[in-house]
Amino acid sequence: AQSVTQLGSHVSVSEGALVLLRCNYSSSVPPYLFWYVQYPNQGLQLLLKYTTGATLVKGINGFEAEFKKSETSFHLTKPSAHMSDAAEYFCAVGAKSGGGADGLTFGKGTHLIIQP
Amino acid sequence: GAVVSQHPSRVICKSGTSVKIECRSLDFQATTMFWYRQFPKKSLMLMATSNEGSKATYEQGVEKDKFLINHASLTLSTLTVTSAHPEDSSFYICSAGLAGGKTQYFGPGTRLLVL
Repeated sequence: AQSVTQLGSHVSVSEGALVLLRCNYSSSVPPYLFWYVQYPNQGLQLLLKYTTGATLVKGINGFEAEFKKSETSFHLTKPSAHMSDAAEYFCAVGAKSGGGADGLTFGKGTHLIIQP
Repeated sequence: GAVVSQHPSRVICKSGTSVKIECRSLDFQATTMFWYRQFPKKSLMLMATSNEGSKATYEQGVEKDKFLINHASLTLSTLTVTSAHPEDSSFYICSAGLAGGKTQYFGPGTRLLVL
């Protein structure tokens, strides 16, 4: 069984400030981890993913995340927030079972608010 | 690359009717497609996994007779909500995975409103 916990349903930062969105997971098998962004009334866009290898992964739009196995965390960061970053962010975990994709378990999402 | 489309983007129907939602992978072949449901201001919940040419695997609590899934080809999966009721109103999102890969590519979603 897998689960994802995103701390903070809403996070507000000033434009230009550091963005930190927290994600902790639990998984009985080695996980694959994803961050997706969702804009209003739209589907999900992949920001970044961790599968294997380097634990610090870089994604689109200046975001990055670090997989920390000991802390079961995969927090998302961006050094300098931009107004266009305002959106809903979802952390998701999939299982490293088999060769193909697995159904993902999503966190409840964090709504990122950017203050001008 | 890896574009997934859904049709329709929005549908309103009367209670008791059936609604079909299509999910297509436009530029790749998807051996596996997934259907998720998202309630307002909530996370996505996996409904079912469909593999081309075989029966879908439904998550616990999802009625397979109500949510019929067909994955007839490597680029098309359909979700039919049968005898829709107002509580079926939701945002339905599909995703598709590349063969051998773990990443899922999501469609833009279909908003269903049952009156």
